[in-house]
Amino acid sequence: DAGVTQSPTHLIKTRGQQVTLRCSPKSGHDTVSWYQQALGQGPQFIFQYYEEEERQRGNFPDRFSGHQFPNYSSELNVNALLLGDSALYLCASSFSSGLSSYEQYFGPGTRLTVT
Amino acid sequence: AQTVTQSQPEMSVQEAETVTLSCTYDTSESDYYLFWYKQPPSRQMILVIRQEAYKQQNATENRFSVNFQKAAKSFSLKISDSQLGDAAMYFCAYSWRAGTASKLTFGTGTRLQVTL
Repeated sequence: DAGVTQSPTHLIKTRGQQVTLRCSPKSGHDTVSWYQQALGQGPQFIFQYYEEEERQRGNFPDRFSGHQFPNYSSELNVNALLLGDSALYLCASSFSSGLSSYEQYFGPGTRLTVT
Repeated sequence: AQTVTQSQPEMSVQEAETVTLSCTYDTSESDYYLFWYKQPPSRQMILVIRQEAYKQQNATENRFSVNFQKAAKSFSLKISDSQLGDAAMYFCAYSWRAGTASKLTFGTGTRLQVTL
């Protein structure tokens, strides 16, 4: 049973560019959450997608946007990259039943470096 | 807003010994979950243990156990018989009702070193 997968593993971009990160959830999961983990810090919640809609959002600017596809996979897009966007981006998937969602399983992350 | 505080940036333990990692949190909610996650150098966040706030009994998973003090808003992790493979970053996290359409709020982490 494949767990949560993310691509790419590493990415280097230049300030001002745009980036797309991808996540495939664990089999049977329908909810995807994204987190940003700066070096030496704990992960910070960006947003969560369920039924192809953004269900909850953390304190991140509109430059951060996402999408969920009918197969439950998800993309995280970041526009107008800043040096401060350099971080490990973690995707977590879970199963939701009505308003409840259960344990989140994390992927290995994408390391984004902005130069 | 909920906050999670880990006051120990680094801890060290000898193999086979016991170590306790501390965590405090702040919330006005009464129904929530607390977690300890392990993040090894491979970066993948792994759930170690989970505690439901409505349960008075402390959670236990093999060598890992917690001391949950709801009134004090304290949630410490005890690792018994430490092994070299336990070396990692450990994050305490909070979720309102086990992630019910709800984010995880993490502390800043404790780096655990295990020595021979």
